[in-house]
Amino acid sequence: QVHLQESGPGLVKPSQTLSLTCSVSGGSISSGNYYWSWIRQHPGKGLEWVGYIHSSGRSFHNPSLKSRVTMSVDTSKNQFSLRLSSVTAADTAVYYCARDDGPTDVWGQGTTVTVSS
Amino acid sequence: QSVLTQPPSVSGAPGQRVTISCTGSSSNIGAGYDVHWYQQVPGTAPKLLIYANHNRPSGIPDRFSGSKSGTSASLAITGLQAEDEADYYCQSHDSSLSGRVFGGGTKLTVL
Repeated sequence: QVHLQESGPGLVKPSQTLSLTCSVSGGSISSGNYYWSWIRQHPGKGLEWVGYIHSSGRSFHNPSLKSRVTMSVDTSKNQFSLRLSSVTAADTAVYYCARDDGPTDVWGQGTTVTVSS
Repeated sequence: QSVLTQPPSVSGAPGQRVTISCTGSSSNIGAGYDVHWYQQVPGTAPKLLIYANHNRPSGIPDRFSGSKSGTSASLAITGLQAEDEADYYCQSHDSSLSGRVFGGGTKLTVL
């Protein structure tokens, strides 16, 4: 059974870069034809798709985030990562990593990131 | 403003049936992309409830069902139970955005 776990700082200063890593266990990040996703949820709000990346490195992100999003995958560590630059308070959210197989069928528990000075 | 539109809230008494709608457009649901549904109990990660319009993952009771027609989809829950009280989200793919889109979520209250 695949398990995902987010890790990274819980507090980021405005204008800095948010960096999160998702560790995949119970299966190889390179197996199957999955995309590996980042989804966030602002406090008290709904789900927002941030983007996803394939183990080949091909990635797509939410156009609303413009060019602030960078995603990467490290197959040797079975991890994938998110970097979101120039953060503001509007980026404060719970960030989930997840596996996309058409449906998003496996989710991490989520990690709260607060943007504040 | 979510790309997919859901009612903010629905409610029903135990044992009743409720439906949650998800309305999209010609670039997502209407383009033939599958709709998936998730259940989220506050404070926890979402859980896949229905995939590819009407399929249930293993372990999901048959009280939950999904359908899709045109630019809309629906989630139906029969025999409401207190444990069904949660937030429900629909999801699809949007060709103009080249990515996944979610509905704004619907809060189900079991009276």
